[in-house]
Amino acid sequence: SQQGEEDPQALSIQEGENATMNCSYKTSINNLQWYRQNSGRGLVHLILIRSNEREKHSGRLRVTLDTSKKSSSLLITASRAADTASYFCATDAPDSNYQLIWGAGTKLIIKP
Amino acid sequence: EAEVAQSPRYKITEKSQAVAFWCDPISGHATLYWYRQILGQGPELLVQFQDESVVDDSQLPKDRFSAERLKGVDSTLKIQPAELGDSAMYLCASSLAGNHNEQFFGPGTRLTVL
Repeated sequence: SQQGEEDPQALSIQEGENATMNCSYKTSINNLQWYRQNSGRGLVHLILIRSNEREKHSGRLRVTLDTSKKSSSLLITASRAADTASYFCATDAPDSNYQLIWGAGTKLIIKP
Repeated sequence: EAEVAQSPRYKITEKSQAVAFWCDPISGHATLYWYRQILGQGPELLVQFQDESVVDDSQLPKDRFSAERLKGVDSTLKIQPAELGDSAMYLCASSLAGNHNEQFFGPGTRLTVL
């Protein structure tokens, strides 16, 4: 079963613009992570945010977490062609043996 | 940079045949995961190992799928017999034991069942 739902399912923007993707989940969590998947490098971890954190930055990435709304957003600033990929959120719940439950992903296309 | 190794990268087989996938996690990673990913969807956990022990295989179709990690290092996932609906990407991931749970993924095995 999939806990997270990403929104939108697909996003196409011009290079240099910002891209925002959202993730909603259903149960309480320990952590929420974002991963990127492209054909060249497979699934790669981007950033982890803990349930007691509200915002986190890593380079051009900004992640927010609102546990009251059970939602998170991933912002990629100044997008590049290399950011073209699918982006997934994954959550792990208390007492889950650190298992991740994944959303269906947002497919991001950066147009040159 | 250490990586998770998987082989083969691609496998085409006919239904009712047996297939096996191999995974070598990053050295020192006690936790190993096998996922199945259908095109357009997120990964779905099949089995999780902690060292050589199975932590969770509740989503593994045990009538046809088996997984082992005999020495707590590399792992094999087997399907016998393969069915058309098994066509998917099979991903292996590993992580250090602990609560950060960043998972490192291999390149996957793309299985096509004809």
